[in-house]
Amino acid sequence: SQTIHQWPATLVQPVGSPLSLECTVEGTSNPNLYWYRQAAGRGLQLLFYSVGIGQISSEVPQNLSASRPQDRQFILSSKKLLLSDSGFYLCACNPRASPLHFGNGTRLTVT
Amino acid sequence: KNEVEQSPQNLTAQEGEFITINCSYSVGISALHWLQQHPGGGIVSLFMLSSGKKKHGRLIATINIQEKHSSLHITASHPRDSAVYICAVRSAGDSNYQLIWGAGTKLIIKP
Repeated sequence: SQTIHQWPATLVQPVGSPLSLECTVEGTSNPNLYWYRQAAGRGLQLLFYSVGIGQISSEVPQNLSASRPQDRQFILSSKKLLLSDSGFYLCACNPRASPLHFGNGTRLTVT
Repeated sequence: KNEVEQSPQNLTAQEGEFITINCSYSVGISALHWLQQHPGGGIVSLFMLSSGKKKHGRLIATINIQEKHSSLHITASHPRDSAVYICAVRSAGDSNYQLIWGAGTKLIIKP
């Protein structure tokens, strides 16, 4: 079965600083990968998804970007964080026609 | 109107009660997911179903494709079942396995 490693678990960053969140997957190959954000008390918002290396689709225009340099690695980045970027970021993996598996999430606070 | 509607939004019950959470959707789907989000934020996939009924321990998920409705049942509820339960559907013909998310049902089971 798949295991998703996501780090760090919590992060406090000042406005204007860069961001890099990493997600790696074990136990499957060529999965669909997703980055979700959940604002406090809100539902999940899909930010990016990837169906393969170097293939990134963005769902919401914002100052975040994603990259997939390797089959099982998915990175969420920002050059300059905004206060509105605070939230709970979840990486998810979806091998073909299988349930979603989520990482443990990163709680980001931008101050 | 949201494409995926969950009810109730909040539910408080006593330990031992039979719990039902409902999910209605308005699009054609290829699969429906039920997920559980713990208070700490972690998300676990409970069921993925496209027809009929699935059971895992005290959890039962049913789906009626004609009525575009699914229910999640918890028998002999326990305080550890307290969590947010989320319904999500994959649109029929969507090759990228993107999901349309419900807003979640917050369940509290009192001892």
